[in-house]
Amino acid sequence: GAGVSQSPRYKVAKRGQDVALRCDPISGHVSLFWYQQALGQGPEFLTYFQNEAQLDKSGLPSDRFFAERPEGSVSTLKIQRTQQEDSAVYLCASSFREGGTEAFFGQGTRLTVV
Amino acid sequence: GENVEQHPSTLSVQEGDSAVIKCTYSDSASNYFPWYKQELGKRPQLIIDIRSNVGEKKDQRIAVTLNKTAKHFSLHITETQPEDSAVYFCAASMGGAQKLVFGQGTRLTINP
Repeated sequence: GAGVSQSPRYKVAKRGQDVALRCDPISGHVSLFWYQQALGQGPEFLTYFQNEAQLDKSGLPSDRFFAERPEGSVSTLKIQRTQQEDSAVYLCASSFREGGTEAFFGQGTRLTVV
Repeated sequence: GENVEQHPSTLSVQEGDSAVIKCTYSDSASNYFPWYKQELGKRPQLIIDIRSNVGEKKDQRIAVTLNKTAKHFSLHITETQPEDSAVYFCAASMGGAQKLVFGQGTRLTINP
């Protein structure tokens, strides 16, 4: 596709509900990143995939957060038992090869937990 | 781990004047420093980047300088225009670690 695509754009979840956020990276991009951006803050790293391998998940805030990229293309970020502090914009980015090259961001999914 | 500090948090300049945003980083192993522009409700977009083997890079009205010894880098925008109004983020990365560590952002407002 023309760019990184994320869905849904907006998600409202009741506290305790599970959510799944989808990222379609640019075709052929090896690296895929998830970031969390709180209101008025810079993006914060959550996790990184190289193809289907999850090489770094050090930024995931708790075991309620889980990410996968089973075929090395589309990725899903899942949040179980959502809490209000999970409210943020979740950004996905992809790059052609490993770090040090331009990361292209999607428009993000704005998650609001009520 | 890496920490990136960005200043100022807000910046207001007259159209046509220059704007400078500064960042410092903590990890001397960082070797890639991109700058992103984010308009309200939109995705961050790369505007310029610099690698540690270069001291300065220019692209039309935008330039970035890097001082590896002092571990700081700066974004310079000349002849500012209203469409330059946005939030700007600096970031740092160690190639082997892949992830970007972002600064807190600078909200730049260009006054006509």
